[in-house]
Amino acid sequence: ETGVTQTPRHLVMGMTNKKSLKCEQHLGHNAMYWYKQSAKKPLELMFVYNFKEQTENNSVPSRFSPECPNSSHLFLHLHTLQPEDSALYLCASSQDEGQGNTEAFFGQGTRLTVV
Amino acid sequence: GQNIDQPTEMTATEGAIVQINCTYQTSGFNGLFWYQQHAGEAPTFLSYNVLDGLEEKGRFSSFLSRSKGYSYLLLKELQMKDSASYLCAVRDGDYKLSFGAGTTVTVRA
Repeated sequence: ETGVTQTPRHLVMGMTNKKSLKCEQHLGHNAMYWYKQSAKKPLELMFVYNFKEQTENNSVPSRFSPECPNSSHLFLHLHTLQPEDSALYLCASSQDEGQGNTEAFFGQGTRLTVV
Repeated sequence: GQNIDQPTEMTATEGAIVQINCTYQTSGFNGLFWYQQHAGEAPTFLSYNVLDGLEEKGRFSSFLSRSKGYSYLLLKELQMKDSASYLCAVRDGDYKLSFGAGTTVTVRA
């Protein structure tokens, strides 16, 4: 139990499907993040929310749409994805985006396969 | 963008010591983190350095030289359970956290 829970753990979807990834943190943190992890590549930051406000959109295609209804929940809505979007999607939270020494706590990720 | 480099793979024997190097070039600096990630699991926090020098935490130590843009993670008395990927991450001047590609460490009996 990491304090950050992601569902589902695995997802297979077609290129015309619409699905959503869910992340919930029970740590009382104010910042939440979506990262993409592809094999042999660095973790890529996708989106950052700090106090429910989006503070970072790292040139992510519009087929990925984040939603942060409150500081404990974060969603990633997916539609018309491409096979190259297949990856591990990791959610993380930290106390506050603007503090240097606050480490990020990660969920276990959603393994996404686009067919 | 940020540039964080670390070796792809390292192999060591149980009981030995392994040093994983990380070099970085970022716009500003607000700390360097090391994470451990076992296959199929979440990355977990190992250490944080913001000042030059060595931080020791049990079998794991992390070193930072800001002037050289360099850090290393030292794993002592290696155990089989230490086989994992080790991620170097740097928080830049805008507090954005960027990661290296990770170093896969394999511990052999």
